[in-house]
Amino acid sequence: GDSVTQMEGPVTLSEEAFLTINCTYTATGYPSLFWYVQYPGEGLQLLLKATKADDKGSNKGFEATYRKETTSFHLEKGSVQVSDSAVYFCAPPNRDDKIIFGKGTRLHILP
Amino acid sequence: GAVVSQHPSWVICKSGTSVKIECRSLDFQATTMFWYRQFPKQSLMLMATSNEGSKATYEQGVEKDKFLINHASLTLSTLTVTSAHPEDSSFYICSAERTGTRRRHTQYFGPGTRLTVL
Repeated sequence: GDSVTQMEGPVTLSEEAFLTINCTYTATGYPSLFWYVQYPGEGLQLLLKATKADDKGSNKGFEATYRKETTSFHLEKGSVQVSDSAVYFCAPPNRDDKIIFGKGTRLHILP
Repeated sequence: GAVVSQHPSWVICKSGTSVKIECRSLDFQATTMFWYRQFPKQSLMLMATSNEGSKATYEQGVEKDKFLINHASLTLSTLTVTSAHPEDSSFYICSAERTGTRRRHTQYFGPGTRLTVL
């Protein structure tokens, strides 16, 4: 069945460090791919998305490229801020168009 | 816009009692809402899809009679955990899909409700 494997956290970085959170998936066909973020005390929000192979989704300085050949959708940011501290979920939809969430990666950014 | 609220944000109850959790879309209409369950350090698991005016669609392994879902209006869905037991303790999250959107990824999530059953 469709599934997603996400880098386990927690990840602790200093401010302005480079961030990578790995995500790989198995799915039938080539679905759209999403990253969601959950800030402390808030609900999940869509962070970015890519709808087809080689697409790059970007938002708030975060980027992720849809790599069909490696079935990956790694999340990156060149210079993280304290305000980026949150839990990040990789989430492709399955064949029924229902969202499959990864386990989430908790990110701590130290000032 | 696109705010979803949940009430209560946390609840503690005795074993054997029932608990109702509300999910409201505050500034948009939602024909479809979703209920998820999240265990500590684990992913969100879709429990059911709630459709306004019709029966909910439950995922495999989710007990319909235990987790009653009602979606009586375009802005409100409720999840009732009946005869709750300690193993039902979890974080319950709802999401709402704005009516008229064609893609399921356009979901807006509530902040979650933490249920603790003693």
